[in-house]
Amino acid sequence: GAGVSQTPSNKVTEKGKYVELRCDPISGHTALYWYRQSLGQGPEFLIYFQGTGAADDSGLPNDRFFAVRPEGSVSTLKIQRTERGDSAVYLCASSLIGQGADGYTFGSGTRLTVV
Amino acid sequence: EDKVVQSPLSLVVHEGDTVTLNCSYEVTNFRSLLWYKQEKKAPTFLFMLTSSGIEKKSGRLSSILDKKELSSILNITATQTGDSAIYLCAFCSGGSNYKLTFGKGTLLTVNP
Repeated sequence: GAGVSQTPSNKVTEKGKYVELRCDPISGHTALYWYRQSLGQGPEFLIYFQGTGAADDSGLPNDRFFAVRPEGSVSTLKIQRTERGDSAVYLCASSLIGQGADGYTFGSGTRLTVV
Repeated sequence: EDKVVQSPLSLVVHEGDTVTLNCSYEVTNFRSLLWYKQEKKAPTFLFMLTSSGIEKKSGRLSSILDKKELSSILNITATQTGDSAIYLCAFCSGGSNYKLTFGKGTLLTVNP
């Protein structure tokens, strides 16, 4: 596609529920990244995919968070047993493999609100 | 612990003013510093500065990296209302050219 597409744009869920956030990267971009931006903060790195595999998941805060990219294109960030502290904008970015951060294209994010 | 601090946190100016946004960092094994503009949600890339490229300019925007002072500035001249946004500073360090550590950002408001 023309840009990085994230769905839904907004998601409200109840504490304790499970949510899935989707990222559709730019066609041909084999590198994909997830970041989380809490209110008043800069984005924080969560995970980096090279193709289908997670090359760096050091930013995932705990085992409630998990991400997959089974076919090397669309990625899903999954959050189990959501907590109010998970409320944030979840940003996805993609780039060509080997490009540095200056090659990122960010999506418009999913605003997750846990009530 | 690596960190980046931006100042001011917010700034209000009038159209036509010149602004300077600051970013200081503490990082082991610095690799690069990047500036982004964030309107609504998606950050858009402005500049990347490295040891071999310490000054960048694009139109009314320019940025300088001071490796001695571990800081960078982003200048915007002749500001316009469309410059209103959050400006984010971030760095890459170590062996990673992809993993960004961001500051909290500066919220710039340009009034007509």
